[in-house]
Amino acid sequence: QVQLVQSGAEVKKPGASVKVSCKASGSTFSDYYIHWVRQAPGQGLEYMGVLYYNADTTSRTQKFHGRLTMTRDTSTNTVYMELSSLTSDDMAVYYCAREHHGGFFDYWGQGTLVTVSS
Amino acid sequence: QTVVTQEPSLTVSPGGTVTLTCTSNTGAVTSGNCPNWFQQKPGQPPRALIYCTSNKHSWTPARFSGSLLGGKAALTLSGVQPEDEAEYFCLLYFGGADWVFGRGTKLTVL
Repeated sequence: QVQLVQSGAEVKKPGASVKVSCKASGSTFSDYYIHWVRQAPGQGLEYMGVLYYNADTTSRTQKFHGRLTMTRDTSTNTVYMELSSLTSDDMAVYYCAREHHGGFFDYWGQGTLVTVSS
Repeated sequence: QTVVTQEPSLTVSPGGTVTLTCTSNTGAVTSGNCPNWFQQKPGQPPRALIYCTSNKHSWTPARFSGSLLGGKAALTLSGVQPEDEAEYFCLLYFGGADWVFGRGTKLTVL
């Protein structure tokens, strides 16, 4: 059974960075795209960006240019999302989601709560 | 800025049929936007239901169906069950890394 398992909740100070991991079990990330999505408290889903796993290239929405870094570790079948220069507006649950080529989204991680507080 | 719009809320009776829609301010939604639909219940991650307009996952109940209707993406629930009460999000593709979520439809089964 495929599962995407994310790292635990984080508390960060304004201006700091956070790094969230997403590990695949029951499958590998090879041949997939891994997207990152966030959801602020009581709000909808916000698309952030994507890691094209095999090519090890990334793309992100304009809003997150310069702040969002997505990487992979093929030895552990894990992808990472790092968001820098955190503000209170970045407080949200962050999700990874897997996509087959061609827009076929299927599995999601359980989510990681990021709290930004001084 | 691309904005994707959904009905904020809908109410349906058990056993009834309801259609949720998803529109774009850039024009008609087409199969090229590869509409995906997700269901989210409180405290849970989203669950994929439909991909690229009308394709179901192995776990998607038969009562859910996706389509294009009059320039919109649509999700139809036929024979609604109490457990279908949830928030539903659509996701549209606009090229490159430009995926945009709708703001969600809160479906009440009453």
